[in-house]
Amino acid sequence: QVQLTESGPGLVAPSETLSLTCNVSGGSLSNHYWTWIRQPAGKRLEWLGRIFSSGSTYYKPSLGSRVTMSLDTSANHFSLQLRSVTAADTAVYYCARAVETFHYYIDVWGKGTTVTVSS
Amino acid sequence: EIVLTQSPGTLSLSPGDTATLSCRASQAVSVSYFAWYQHRPGQAPRLLIYGASSRATGIPDRFSGSGSGTDFTLTISRLEPEDVAIYYCQQYSPPRMWTFGQGTKVEIK
Repeated sequence: QVQLTESGPGLVAPSETLSLTCNVSGGSLSNHYWTWIRQPAGKRLEWLGRIFSSGSTYYKPSLGSRVTMSLDTSANHFSLQLRSVTAADTAVYYCARAVETFHYYIDVWGKGTTVTVSS
Repeated sequence: EIVLTQSPGTLSLSPGDTATLSCRASQAVSVSYFAWYQHRPGQAPRLLIYGASSRATGIPDRFSGSGSGTDFTLTISRLEPEDVAIYYCQQYSPPRMWTFGQGTKVEIK
């Protein structure tokens, strides 16, 4: 079965770039939507955007130009970059696989990785 | 943006009880775009229900989903200790906006 594992720095300085990678094991990136979701402490889950295996992306509008998602099919992983971070970007970040057909749902999640924005 | 409000915040029940979790949307949601998840401590969240009422692969029939429009329900029958978790509802609204409820915590007495 497909498993997702997030990796990246747990601490990022304000105004810097948050970079996370999600390794996909037990399956391929092909023909799937891959997404990033985060949850600040005490707040609800927030969908950040998604990338299809072709490379097409869609991001949450409120993130503006700060976010970029990419994928590396040879390494079987996809990535998130969030620029100009502030304390408000401190959260548990989850990578996940989305189904977007007749139904829309997340069928595989990673366990999440905690990112703290602080100097 | 459609806001999902879950109730109650915490549910404390005994083994064998039935848990009824509610999720109310600020606007009507298509049943095709509505799902429920279980998040056990220390684990990845898990899909329980999609399409408002279809169980995901491997989910026991103790879990059932129902509802339409703005009101959706997740029912957990014959509650077991392994059901201790936070449960989230999720909706999708075109174009490409996913939102989640704030979660209901289920505890076992």
